[in-house]
Amino acid sequence: NAGVMQNPRHLVRRRGQEARLRCSPMKGHSHVYWYRQLPEEGLKFMVYLQKENIIDESGMPKERFSAEFPKEGPSILRIQQVVRGDSAAYFCASSPPRSKNPNTEAFFGQGTRLTVV
Amino acid sequence: AQSVTQPDIHITVSEGASLELRCNYSYGATPYLFWYVQSPGQGLQLLLKYFSGDTLVQGIKGFEAEFKRSQSSFNLRKPSVHWSDAAEYFCAVTISNFGNEKLTFGTGTRLTIIP
Repeated sequence: NAGVMQNPRHLVRRRGQEARLRCSPMKGHSHVYWYRQLPEEGLKFMVYLQKENIIDESGMPKERFSAEFPKEGPSILRIQQVVRGDSAAYFCASSPPRSKNPNTEAFFGQGTRLTVV
Repeated sequence: AQSVTQPDIHITVSEGASLELRCNYSYGATPYLFWYVQSPGQGLQLLLKYFSGDTLVQGIKGFEAEFKRSQSSFNLRKPSVHWSDAAEYFCAVTISNFGNEKLTFGTGTRLTIIP
């Protein structure tokens, strides 16, 4: 059972371009969470998704950021018109429903390190 | 809203010495508590977790943590550190029993090991 897969691992974009970050959850996991880690800081929650639904986007910036988790395929975090301040590590985590597995935890991917130049 | 405080930004210990990393949380109910470790350029690996029951939990790599409700703390300990333990350590909490289980992280403690 492969872990949480994120790609690309490193992404360089020029200011104004779009960044698309992909996350494939572990098999059997229907919950996906995205976090952002700014340099020298901890991880900050961005968005929580289940298949085809955004459950909680309270941590998402109001503009330029969007996320989806389609019925088929990976979850995508999309950043439009990137700015230097978007440079960070973006981590995806997945978990099964706790209703089916009460003692589970979230499993993290290796992250995508976005650099905006 | 819940919060997590890791008061020590950077700790340096000698190899073989004991270690304690502090974590305090702020929340009215008992949260689910976690310690993660992050090596440079890598993702997060779970060291241990507390959901309920015995307040002293054992994790991987010889780590343990103790949940103290009266102090709202969940400190991480290791009796004897190894050079490979040098990394960033994050304490995290979630409040959900079922449903949205987003994690709130502390700002991390960077551990340096000296020979």
